[in-house]
Amino acid sequence: DGGITQSPKYLFRKEGQNVTLSCEQNLNHDAMYWYRQDPGQGLRLIYYSQIVNDFQKGDIAEGYSVSREKKESFPLTVTSAQKNPTAFYLCASSMGLLGTGGMVSGYTFGSGTRLTVV
Amino acid sequence: SQQGEEDPQALSIQEGENATMNCSYKTSINNLQWYRQNSGRGLVHLILIRSNEREKHSGRLRVTLDTSKKSSSLLITASRAADTASYFCATLETSGSRLTFGEGTQLTVNP
Repeated sequence: DGGITQSPKYLFRKEGQNVTLSCEQNLNHDAMYWYRQDPGQGLRLIYYSQIVNDFQKGDIAEGYSVSREKKESFPLTVTSAQKNPTAFYLCASSMGLLGTGGMVSGYTFGSGTRLTVV
Repeated sequence: SQQGEEDPQALSIQEGENATMNCSYKTSINNLQWYRQNSGRGLVHLILIRSNEREKHSGRLRVTLDTSKKSSSLLITASRAADTASYFCATLETSGSRLTFGEGTQLTVNP
């Protein structure tokens, strides 16, 4: 079955540590996204990538880094520079924009990674 | 910044009743989408409505879009306890390349 997989489901980070969250999709989607969700809040965009080897900062990119070396994979690293990393992280993918027609389908989301600083 | 704002923030109804959630946004959009999120899970895409459409149906869901008022509504008819979840609207701006999500409406359907 096609889908998008995030791992791990739960992650604990010590102060000053970098951690990497995995996101893999087998939907052949061009675009991938990382969102952060705090309790009772909406989603805020961290980074996104429209094609391989290219990505753009979202609204809250500080303290995070990404890579897009393969179409299927879009890992997110939460660095020690991110002062308040405890949150629920969601990865998504989509077919991307189609010319001037815009988006024709919605995003497919993974099941999320809950990161806690200990 | 959050483009969409949902109203109400929370809604509690009895099974069988209809649930209506509203979304307002600020800029010109290409399309507007509604998503559902069960507690602690990822979001699930429900329906997409384009800026040149006024109404769309999918099963028990009915979405309307009023671009002159920059608002949309999601109606869930004959609600069930399993509809309990958070519902988010998301917009793709006309010149944008990614969705912007609102803060969500927490719907509770009591059996």
